[in-house]
Amino acid sequence: RKEVEQDPGPFNVPEGATVAFNCTYSNSASQSFFWYRQDCRKEPKLLMSVYSSGNEDGRFTAQLNRASQYISLLIRDSKLSDSATYLCVVNKGGKLIFGQGTELSVKP
Amino acid sequence: GAGVSQSPSNKVTEKGKDVELRCDPISGHTALYWYRQSLGQGLEFLIYFQGNSAPDKSGLPSDRFSAERTGGSVSTLTIQRTQQEDSAVYLCASSPRDRGLGETQYFGPGTRLLVL
Repeated sequence: RKEVEQDPGPFNVPEGATVAFNCTYSNSASQSFFWYRQDCRKEPKLLMSVYSSGNEDGRFTAQLNRASQYISLLIRDSKLSDSATYLCVVNKGGKLIFGQGTELSVKP
Repeated sequence: GAGVSQSPSNKVTEKGKDVELRCDPISGHTALYWYRQSLGQGLEFLIYFQGNSAPDKSGLPSDRFSAERTGGSVSTLTIQRTQQEDSAVYLCASSPRDRGLGETQYFGPGTRLLVL
């Protein structure tokens, strides 16, 4: 079993749709959590950190459930420019462990 | 300001040859990381530097892989006797402080390595 698991997708949605990505992690001692975005043939870039209380950044909302070892990312009013691969990332003892990523394609 | 830079951006080599990949981290960042991303796969951790020392080499896949960092800045990842399965994008990242604090990592554009 992978340490960080994500649905690889692809998720194909129309512009304006709301889309949710889920991620589970296996190590209960994991300390911090992130969502990164990776465009095709580009490097990953930090989208947002994820906190237990949940956090929002514009159209993006991230949630963490430590009891269930589950992380989510919600994108509202999706734009064409949101098309990318979204990587769930867990800090395990100081080492970042990346999920395989979930591919999102937003269509006009 | 300048981000993480890597060179070369692309490298094609023959099986059995050695290759060197270079990373210039963001100025002042003490932590440096190397990752590998094979086609359709997630990022695989290779090695971590804090300053010039490498407290975690656990991700290096074999003894053909080595890395060094000098002057607390530039790092070189060397792959000896390359194999076709070494073909991947090699990504370097840096962060301002020790990774134990969960610092954001800033990635370079990567080196695409193809071993024929």
